[in-house]
Amino acid sequence: EAQVTQNPRYLITVTGKKLTVTCSQNMNHEYMSWYRQDPGLGLRQIYYSMNVEVTDKGDVPEGYKVSRKEKRNFPLILESPSPNQTSLYFCASSFRVQETQYFGPGTRLLVL
Amino acid sequence: KQEVTQIPAALSVPEGENLVLNCSFTDSAIYNLQWFRQDPGKGLTSLLLIQSSQREQTSGRLNASLDKSSGRSTLYIAASQPGDSAIYLCAAPWAGNMLTFGGGTRLMVKP
Repeated sequence: EAQVTQNPRYLITVTGKKLTVTCSQNMNHEYMSWYRQDPGLGLRQIYYSMNVEVTDKGDVPEGYKVSRKEKRNFPLILESPSPNQTSLYFCASSFRVQETQYFGPGTRLLVL
Repeated sequence: KQEVTQIPAALSVPEGENLVLNCSFTDSAIYNLQWFRQDPGKGLTSLLLIQSSQREQTSGRLNASLDKSSGRSTLYIAASQPGDSAIYLCAAPWAGNMLTFGGGTRLMVKP
């Protein structure tokens, strides 16, 4: 089954404790991206990747890191999480940004 | 920078009614426009993608139109059903590689 998976689905952590949210797709997509969704602010793009070893900032990259060492995986790293990073996070993939985007189920993060 | 706006923010209609959701964008040099559906607690599901060279796309009871010159897209839902209740989002690529979303329209279809 073609899908984008994210783990964990729910996470509660404390300020400053490094965490990683994994994202994996099985569709051989080149384009992958991360979004956060907040009430009143909608979906905002954090980082995106055009292909292996090619990443770039989106609208709200501060406080986040990503890596793309393999085509299928695109982890999101919060090295020192803060409460303002409490949000719902989505990973998405496609062959190109101009093509249909496939979204993961989301990761709900609470930073205390 | 591309800005995408959706009006209305929320809409409640009785079952069976035809309805239109609106999406406007500021940069008309778009490759395409995509419509998504988001159910509570779940991810986004792609509904329709209209290429910049197209005027319309249809899928079942859904019809999406695109007017680049006016910076507008509409999603038409025919004979609405309670199962259509969800948040509907539109998105447009910009700056070549980024994707900008509208704020969404929360649709409630009452039985």
